[in-house]
Amino acid sequence: AQSVTQLGSHVSVSEGALVLLRCNYSSSVPPYLFWYVQYPNQGLQLLLKYTSAATLVKGINGFEAEFKKSETSFHLTKPSAHMSDAAEYFCAVSKAAGNKLTFGGGTRVLVKP
Amino acid sequence: DAGITQSPRHKVTETGTPVTLRCHQTENHRYMYWYRQDPGHGLRLIHYSYGVKDTDKGEVSDGYSVSRSKTEDFLLTLESATSSQTSVYFCAISEGLAGSSYEQYFGPGTRLTVT
Repeated sequence: AQSVTQLGSHVSVSEGALVLLRCNYSSSVPPYLFWYVQYPNQGLQLLLKYTSAATLVKGINGFEAEFKKSETSFHLTKPSAHMSDAAEYFCAVSKAAGNKLTFGGGTRVLVKP
Repeated sequence: DAGITQSPRHKVTETGTPVTLRCHQTENHRYMYWYRQDPGHGLRLIHYSYGVKDTDKGEVSDGYSVSRSKTEDFLLTLESATSSQTSVYFCAISEGLAGSSYEQYFGPGTRLTVT
C-alpha cells in the first residue's frame, strides 16, 4: 500500500525567506507525485506534478519540487515566500491510471511579515 | 478552472437522517472521486467511479454509498448520518486516459455538519 508522510503539520516562515515543505512517500512501483495547495474555504489546486520525466519539476507561483528516488522524497520549495503563499499544502502519490490519490496529512504554512 | 460544482455547499443535518451530496462536472472526464477532509488526515478517499454505473470503494467507505447514472453526475449518500461523518467533502475528476498525467481536479467542497 502507498503512504505519504509530510513532516511538520505547521511551518512558519518570514516573508522573503525560503519555503521548504517535506514529503516522503512509499510506493511499490514508480509513483506519480503531486503537490496541491488549498487556500481557506476553497478546494485543492494543483501546484505541480512529477510523472517520470524531469526530476526537477517547476510549478505555478514560483514553486518547484525535486523527485529523489533514492530518498523516496518529493520536497517542495520556493526561494522567497510571499504573504499570498499562506495556505495548506498537500503532497499526494498515485501509482498509475485509475489514479487513486493517497494524500499526506498536509502542512499549513504561515508567512510572517 | 475545471468545471466542477458541488451541491449543497453547506448542510446541517441531524443524526440518523439520510443525506445526498451531488457532484456535477462539465469536462466529460471518465473518473470521479469523493474524498473527505478532516484535520490531520489530509484527504481520504471514500468512493470513486471509473465510468457510468462503475464504482468502487475507497479507504473510508463504511456508511457511504454512491451512484453514477450519467457521466457528469456523481452522488454520495449517507444513508443514516452520524456525528463522525461531520466533515468537508470534496469531489474530484480525472481524465484517466492512457498517456494522461493523472492529476485530479477538485470541486469547491461541501461542509457537512451532523448534529
